[in-house]
Amino acid sequence: AQSVSQHNHHVILSEAASLELGCNYSYGGTVNLFWYVQYPGQHLQLLLKYFSGDPLVKGIKGFEAEFIKSKFSFNLRKPSVQWSDTAEYFCAVYDGGSQGNLIFGKGTKLSVKP
Amino acid sequence: SQTIHQWPATLVQPVGSPLSLECTVEGTSNPNLYWYRQAAGRGLQLLFYSVGIGQISSEVPQNLSASRPQDRQFILSSKKLLLSDSGFYLCAWSYGIEAFFGQGTRLTVV
Repeated sequence: AQSVSQHNHHVILSEAASLELGCNYSYGGTVNLFWYVQYPGQHLQLLLKYFSGDPLVKGIKGFEAEFIKSKFSFNLRKPSVQWSDTAEYFCAVYDGGSQGNLIFGKGTKLSVKP
Repeated sequence: SQTIHQWPATLVQPVGSPLSLECTVEGTSNPNLYWYRQAAGRGLQLLFYSVGIGQISSEVPQNLSASRPQDRQFILSSKKLLLSDSGFYLCAWSYGIEAFFGQGTRLTVV
């Protein structure tokens, strides 16, 4: 079965530090990859997505992710985090087809200290 | 524009009581509908998905069931809740690949 692994359960950073959250998936076919974010008390929101083309994807709020097919990875990055980035981040892969499913990782909680 | 409604936002239920969580989608037709559960430390787990009225697929064996009586309505149910059913339940819809989530229901079974 397809799976998504997020290696960090909880990341604590100071403001202005750089961020990289790891995500690896197991699905070997054509994949569509996502990062979702859940701010405290809010619903899940799409941060960015990769369908095809340029493997470096730009998202909202200065986030970006790089799809590396050979490593089955889709790591999320931000050069300089802000306190408002404190949230839980979920990597997800869509495993194909009109009846495919969105499979999520366990999430990474990011705490940014002001 | 499409919107998704999920209610209630919070729910406290005793063990052994029934459950019914409802989710409706507006502004789209024939969406794929999903129920996810977010348990502490376990991320988002797909529970059920539906590609059409009356069509339900279950991803994990459990104490819950789902139904889709109308095109844009998806219901999560249980006849008798267990303590382990506590968690945060999310309804989502998709038309194609990208999914859109409801606000979620925080269920506490006591």
